[in-house]
Amino acid sequence: QVQLQQSGQGLVRPSQTLSLTCAISGDTVSNSSATWNWIRQSPSRGLEWLGRTLYRSHWASDYAPFLRGRITVNPDTSNNQFSLQLNSVTPDDTGVYYCARERDWAGIDQWGQGTLVTVSS
Amino acid sequence: DIQMTQSPSSLSASVGDRVTITCRASQDIRSHLSWYQQKPGKIPKLLIYEASTLQSGVPSRFSGSGSGTDFTLTISSLQPEDVAIYYCQKYNIDPLTFGGGTKVEIK
Repeated sequence: QVQLQQSGQGLVRPSQTLSLTCAISGDTVSNSSATWNWIRQSPSRGLEWLGRTLYRSHWASDYAPFLRGRITVNPDTSNNQFSLQLNSVTPDDTGVYYCARERDWAGIDQWGQGTLVTVSS
Repeated sequence: DIQMTQSPSSLSASVGDRVTITCRASQDIRSHLSWYQQKPGKIPKLLIYEASTLQSGVPSRFSGSGSGTDFTLTISSLQPEDVAIYYCQKYNIDPLTFGGGTKVEIK
């Protein structure tokens, strides 16, 4: 049974860096038939895909255009997890952040428990 | 970027009614569309992928159809436990994009 366990800070000061980690059990971050995603949700913007990492003979990451330059999603094969870093946060980045597994051609079938991140001084 | 537009944004129907939710893509996405159900305070749950394939364990009253730009989620007989917000999402082509959601309530 696949489980995704999120960890990281819930309160971030404006202009600082948001950091979250998603530990994977029951699957591996190197699975070449899956991608590992970060998604956030807020009342004003609904569900927003932020970025992902994937392994297809080599590692790659894709990011939402509105975040490029601020976001990094990295795999950590030693610990079977992946991470999110979002730089220069503002209150607009407040929301519930989810990690999630997407299987190729089969949608997002596993979600982390969600982390409420508040950007406030 | 491809935009996903859902309609209606909310609906109210009686138990046993047939409910239809529409999702439109701004460009052809073939069949690369999923539907999710999110109940209050819960994480989203995958209902349907590849536009019409029912995820394991999902009741058969849920069905999906469409390809290209127009897609539909149908609940054949609405049940009280179906009260939720439903989202469509295109995938396998980045950026992955969600629709704005449809809130389903019982009349």
